Amino acid sequence: GESVGLHLPTLSVQEGDNSIINCAYSNSASDYFIWYKQESGKGPQFIIDIRSNMDKRQGQRVTVLLNKTVKHLSLQIAATQPGDSAVYFCASGESGAGSYQLTFGKGTKLSVIP
Amino acid sequence: EAQVTQNPRYLITVTGKKLTVTCSQNMNHEYMSWYRQDPGLGLRQIYYSMNVEVTDKGDVPEGYKVSRKEKRNFPLILESPSPNQTSLYFCASSFSGTGTYEQFFGPGTRLTVL
Repeated sequence: GESVGLHLPTLSVQEGDNSIINCAYSNSASDYFIWYKQESGKGPQFIIDIRSNMDKRQGQRVTVLLNKTVKHLSLQIAATQPGDSAVYFCASGESGAGSYQLTFGKGTKLSVIP
Repeated sequence: EAQVTQNPRYLITVTGKKLTVTCSQNMNHEYMSWYRQDPGLGLRQIYYSMNVEVTDKGDVPEGYKVSRKEKRNFPLILESPSPNQTSLYFCASSFSGTGTYEQFFGPGTRLTVL
């Protein structure tokens, strides 16, 4: 079945550096992708999404890149701050499937070193 | 404030004692879903609902029931809880129209079954 995975389970980054979190998906019919941030003791929070008709989308300090050829997406966080420490999930969905189901990756834990 | 609320936030119970975890959203979302989150397994979907009186099984529905009598509420029922249902539970909701597939998550309910 569909799987959404992550290349690295943990990532440590120096404060001020850029962070890159990677994600691979297996369902070629997936056409939208979301990154979530989950802080300790809280529910996942939406960060940014991207549709399959785009290769790149930028938000505030975050950029998502999508490579449909290799079924890979990444989340780039610029000038990483201590408040960015959290677990980051990617999720994928298929808008044409008639439902709004998301398949989630297992998460990457980002630790920011002050 | 737009939000998804869950109650209780923490619950310790014993095997076989029926319990209900409530979920409510104030965003007029059609779609609602329940997930459980376990270490190393990520978020797994239990049940979802596309609209009032429409529910369907997710990936791990065994041992759970849901109902959707009103648009805003989507309770999760454990008729006879067992220790393997000890987990962190999240309710989520989203619009089912076009344009966005972002799911808004509640704060989570940590359930321990002894």
